[in-house]
Amino acid sequence: EIVLTQSPATLSVSPGERAALSCRASQSVSNNLAWYQQKPGQAPRLLIYGASTRATTIPARFSGSGSGTEFTLTISSLQSEDFAVYSCQQYDSWPSTFGQGTRLEIK
Amino acid sequence: QVQLQESGPGLVKPSETLSLTCTVSGGSISTYYWSWIRQPAGKGLEWMGRLFGTGNTNYSPSLKSRVTMSVDTSKNLLSLKLTSVTAADTALYYCAREARILEGGLYSYSHYMDVWGKGAAVTVSS
Repeated sequence: EIVLTQSPATLSVSPGERAALSCRASQSVSNNLAWYQQKPGQAPRLLIYGASTRATTIPARFSGSGSGTEFTLTISSLQSEDFAVYSCQQYDSWPSTFGQGTRLEIK
Repeated sequence: QVQLQESGPGLVKPSETLSLTCTVSGGSISTYYWSWIRQPAGKGLEWMGRLFGTGNTNYSPSLKSRVTMSVDTSKNLLSLKLTSVTAADTALYYCAREARILEGGLYSYSHYMDVWGKGAAVTVSS
């Protein structure tokens, strides 16, 4: 199965600054990669699919890029509500797999 | 707007069967794929398997021998059963809907999750 490695495990950023989260696949997943946001006690929320397409209602400060094995989720200007855990998922190859997550915390 | 709600016992004894249900409200169940995903505390998400609304299933190879997923379209209910549980099965269990795309008048399916439940916490302990 395809292994997704997210880095860093924890990222400390100040509000208003830019954050870049990485997801690396052990083999190519084309552009079949999604990003999710998780907050305690809440359902995970789809942010990005197809590596770069924002889901409905997702603010434009969230953007996804990459293809093949290297992907990045960028949050251009962090808001207080953006501090959460972010996970990537590949759905190119069965079984689908997730990364271990990156915790984005307030600096 | 479709909403998902997982429910079931929060405590299961080792070697017994974990049973969870997921109530789907506000949308059709029969024409979508539905996944079960779990997350041990402090760890990443693990995809367990999926079923189509008609009942066809695909299970993760790592769980295939122990997992059964089913659907009751009359009740808009999804079910998950995991047998012979151990402490390693302690986790937050989510149900989620997989995306369906309308293109040229036909639906196609893409296996990312566009709607999630809030999860049900299950602890395996005697």
